[in-house]
Parts: sequence; C-alpha cells; structure tokens
Amino acid sequence: DTAVSQTPKYLVTQMGNDKSIKCEQNLGHDTMYWYKQDSKKFLKIMFSYNNKELIINETVPNRFSPKSPDKAHLNLHINSLELGDSAVYFCASSQVVGNYGYTFGSGTRLTVV
Amino acid sequence: TQLLEQSPQFLSIQEGENLTVYCNSSSVFSSLQWYRQEPGEGPVLLVTVVTGGEVKKLKRLTFQFGDARKDSSLHITAAQPGDTGLYLCAGAIRRNDYKLSFGAGTTVTVRA
Repeated sequence: DTAVSQTPKYLVTQMGNDKSIKCEQNLGHDTMYWYKQDSKKFLKIMFSYNNKELIINETVPNRFSPKSPDKAHLNLHINSLELGDSAVYFCASSQVVGNYGYTFGSGTRLTVV
Repeated sequence: TQLLEQSPQFLSIQEGENLTVYCNSSSVFSSLQWYRQEPGEGPVLLVTVVTGGEVKKLKRLTFQFGDARKDSSLHITAAQPGDTGLYLCAGAIRRNDYKLSFGAGTTVTVRA
C-alpha cells in the first residue's frame, strides 16, 4: 500500500562503484522528483520528470543519470561514486505540477566509503 | 543563498507549551507548504497555503500565509512529544512550477 516506495533503504558502497536507486509510485501522479538531503537536512532538487519527460535537471554532475521507463517509475543511476555523494536521496511525486504537495518516499541513505 | 529562511533552527520545549516556527523570503510565492519529517522517513505534507493572509488549522497546528505571500508561520498549541520532528517549509514561485524550494528546516523537540 506504500504510495512512493524506494529501494534500497540503505546503500553502503566503495568509491568508484556504480549504483542504482529505484523508485515507484502507485498514486497515478504525473510528476516525479529526486531530491538530495545533506547532513544538515537541507533538501535540494536534482531532477524532475513529467510523464517520462525530463523537465528539471539542476546542477548535478553527469555521473548522475535519471531514467523514467514509465510515469510510475523513476530510477537514479550513479556512476563512479565519490565520498561527497554520501547523503539521503528522496524520491517524490505530485499530482499536478508543483504546487499541491509532494508525496515522498522514505529515502535511501547512501554511504560511500 | 536559500530562497526560504526558517527560524529558529532548533527549538526545544516542554510538553504543553506553545511554539511558533517562521518561514521568510524576499520572493513572492504562488503557494507554500509545510512538511514534518521524522528520523529515517521522508517529509510528510501537513498543509498547502495559496492565498495571502490565509489561515489553516490542523488540530493543534495553525498555519498562516503572509498577506504579501512572502512568509508563513506554523504555530503549535499545547505541544506533545509526538510533535517532535523536523519542520520544513517549501514554496513554489510560479503557479505551475515544477520545482519546490525548501527551507533548511526547524528541528523541534518536545520533552515529556
């Protein structure tokens, strides 16, 4: 029954590895997002997809590549992981564009060692 | 620089006391939202305000959107330990803005 589900919940990996985080929403929302929350709890948008189309791509290293196979799924692939990539990554979705509230997943805590 | 400034950064109070958290900006927002985040979980939407001067109540929580739509406040009456969490305000500049900008959050601790 989970509305926005992310996997895995925790990810510990070595520098230089490639990893993926998956996200699925069962709310019928058109728009999905990836946010990064740093150690000071600040949430910053990374990407946004509307109906499988990339509409926001903030200043994110191109080692990060989102993929949306359909409007219910938005995955995040990260190449050549660096220590500074350690953070909590949140997937979210919304029903209409932007203004009416996001539903967040429970987050993926990525630790790069 | 952040679009939304929240204050205070930390707030620790005794159960039964009242508290207010502020969210300010120099920009005008088409809408503003408040979320609560608990450890190990994602933020959960509490309220969305869209009209300047709007006041919304959610049980013991009262949310206000400033007349000029540049600021908002969250007031909790008779706080309980279950109110403990990180409170985040977030705003969209344009009506159909795909990007929601978040404040840095206020960590609220309610002691029993």
